[in-house]
Amino acid sequence: DTEVTQTPKHLVMGMTNKKSLKCEQHMGHRAMYWYKQKAKKPPELMFVYSYEKLSINESVPSRFSPECPNSSLLNLHLHALQPEDSALYLCASSQERGQVNTEAFFGQGTRLTVV
Amino acid sequence: AQKVTQAQTEISVVEKEDVTLDCVYETRDTTYYLFWYKQPPSGELVFLIRRNSFDEQNEISGRYSWNFQKSTSSFNFTITASQVVDSAVYFCALSYNQGGKLIFGQGTELSVKP
Repeated sequence: DTEVTQTPKHLVMGMTNKKSLKCEQHMGHRAMYWYKQKAKKPPELMFVYSYEKLSINESVPSRFSPECPNSSLLNLHLHALQPEDSALYLCASSQERGQVNTEAFFGQGTRLTVV
Repeated sequence: AQKVTQAQTEISVVEKEDVTLDCVYETRDTTYYLFWYKQPPSGELVFLIRRNSFDEQNEISGRYSWNFQKSTSSFNFTITASQVVDSAVYFCALSYNQGGKLIFGQGTELSVKP
């Protein structure tokens, strides 16, 4: 079962709101990722977790706060976002981070609109 | 610098035509991996293939085939006898020693008309 589940599928939030995006995988993968994708653009890496520890932060603003409660779950906490943060947020997982030969499996994403 | 270039922004074909999506990459690493992903309108990126830098053997999977040529730094993707369900955005991506980080090309939007 190569499935990564993301909730919610759609989210509209105000600039003063606090919300969280959730991601779950049950493939036993030890690396999990957050990507951001603007319309008509490729996905851009935000964060990488390896064995539940943050290993890569691509200089993402602090209004995005990732959390990995356990090996199956990945959250992205959102606070004081700007309208330009509106995008598709994709979660992915792979067997390992250190081994470049493992493909990443993606969820369907959360379409976020900041108003 | 690590870079992936997909020069074709949009391609439109009629069903049953063959179509080739081009991908050119740049990397200084000798060990790297190349991928193709399909993104239908639903948003999910669907993994299609992985190729490592030491394996230039071409691969065929049903109507899909991939041509990897290190001499030209290209990893092209051909769909034979295209179908409407093939309509999607296709991304070529590169992964290297940083492990896990995918560098995506800009994507090619394929439209297959009946």
